[in-house]
Amino acid sequence: QSVLTQPPSASGAPGQRVTISCSGSSSNIGTNTVNWYQQLPGTAPKLLIYSNNQRPSGVPDRFSGSKSGTSASLAISGLQSEDEADYYCAAWDDSLNGVFGGGTKLTVL
Amino acid sequence: QVQVVESGGGVVQPGRSLRLSCAASGFSFSDYGMHWVRQAPGKGLEWVALIFFDGSIKYYGDSVKGRFTISRDNSKNTVYLQMSSLRADDTAVYYCAREEYGVASLSLDYWGQGTLVNVSS
Repeated sequence: QSVLTQPPSASGAPGQRVTISCSGSSSNIGTNTVNWYQQLPGTAPKLLIYSNNQRPSGVPDRFSGSKSGTSASLAISGLQSEDEADYYCAAWDDSLNGVFGGGTKLTVL
Repeated sequence: QVQVVESGGGVVQPGRSLRLSCAASGFSFSDYGMHWVRQAPGKGLEWVALIFFDGSIKYYGDSVKGRFTISRDNSKNTVYLQMSSLRADDTAVYYCAREEYGVASLSLDYWGQGTLVNVSS
């Protein structure tokens, strides 16, 4: 059971916009910043969003993040086939642990 | 260019020990905190440990606390994960990653390719 809760799956057609939610608590998302990772099959995770809504250099602006209270979300607009991957939220917890969501498998229809 | 390369994985019997290494290059290693994150076969990501840039502070996940030790040698640009009392549920790909945006923020911008640890009799 992951500390951060994500839906196990999400889907959308090419060109559509999809959002993935991440629910936590006051000790993690409520007080610390949220990061999002994309993991393509057989590869290491890639940082997509850091500090709730910042994109590292090279990440397309189709990807955006937001946070409100103890929840966060990742939005992907203009969905493309290459976006099909697993997505994870992550945050530091005040119990001095790093915590990840269980992951969301995104399918592009 | 920034590179992070793990090594040391393999098959190990339950109860035994194993040490993983993570060699970094292409950046000022001694300025960055480093993490270990693992992924069991077919499962999600699990945070394992963090060591601050100078090795002064270390944090561990609850499932490995007391069994795993993270350390670093800044003269060799290498971080280590000493794993003892290994159990079957420690079987996973172990990733080493650099923390970029903040301290203990879990914002990991460079990851290695991972090394597989298989705990089996």
